[in-house]
Amino acid sequence: DTEVTQTPKHLVMGMTNKKSLKCEQHMGHRAMYWYKQKAKKPPELMFVYSYEKLSINESVPSRFSPECPNSSLLNLHLHALQPEDSALYLCASSQEGKNTEAFFGQGTRLTVV
Amino acid sequence: AQSVAQPEDQVNVAEGNPLTVKCTYSVSGNPYLFWYVQYPNRGLQFLLKYITGDNLVKGSYGFEAEFNKSQTSFHLKKPSALVSDSALYFCAVRDMRYNFNKFYFGSGTKLNVKP
Repeated sequence: DTEVTQTPKHLVMGMTNKKSLKCEQHMGHRAMYWYKQKAKKPPELMFVYSYEKLSINESVPSRFSPECPNSSLLNLHLHALQPEDSALYLCASSQEGKNTEAFFGQGTRLTVV
Repeated sequence: AQSVAQPEDQVNVAEGNPLTVKCTYSVSGNPYLFWYVQYPNRGLQFLLKYITGDNLVKGSYGFEAEFNKSQTSFHLKKPSALVSDSALYFCAVRDMRYNFNKFYFGSGTKLNVKP
């Protein structure tokens, strides 16, 4: 199994809503990532978890809250988002180690209205 | 600082012709380089990586990349392009200085393969 599964695939939420994005992998990877991607732009790193501990937070606004309940799951909790937060949110995972590639999920297309 | 640059926003090639998508890098120490492809509204798919060893790296779907240390380049190549290769391509490098769980992506190159 070389898949990273993200749910939901599409999400429309209002600026006062609370929602969560979910990501799951069963490859035994101990590094998991959240990226944000705008159209035709490269992915922008948001958070990295290493062995279930937050290791990188790229100065992301607090309206985005990551959570890593166990080694296979990664969540991104969303609250009071702005329309400019509309984007494709990508989850990825990799083995620990500098010579390993990251595997990406298909992403969640988020629209904030 | 670790970075990669993709100098071409778009590359156009006819089906059956060879294709090249360019990437140059700037790193401290040995580079760990990757190529990914992204189809519309999809995640990134891993194509190949250079870690060490042979300068010509073979990857998925008939793609290969040539690592050139003197030119600090890692160009993606394919001998014969297919229409289905049309997609957005990203070059990436791992941060080997502060936190190797961090990837730096290039700005992306849109490949158009015409029938």
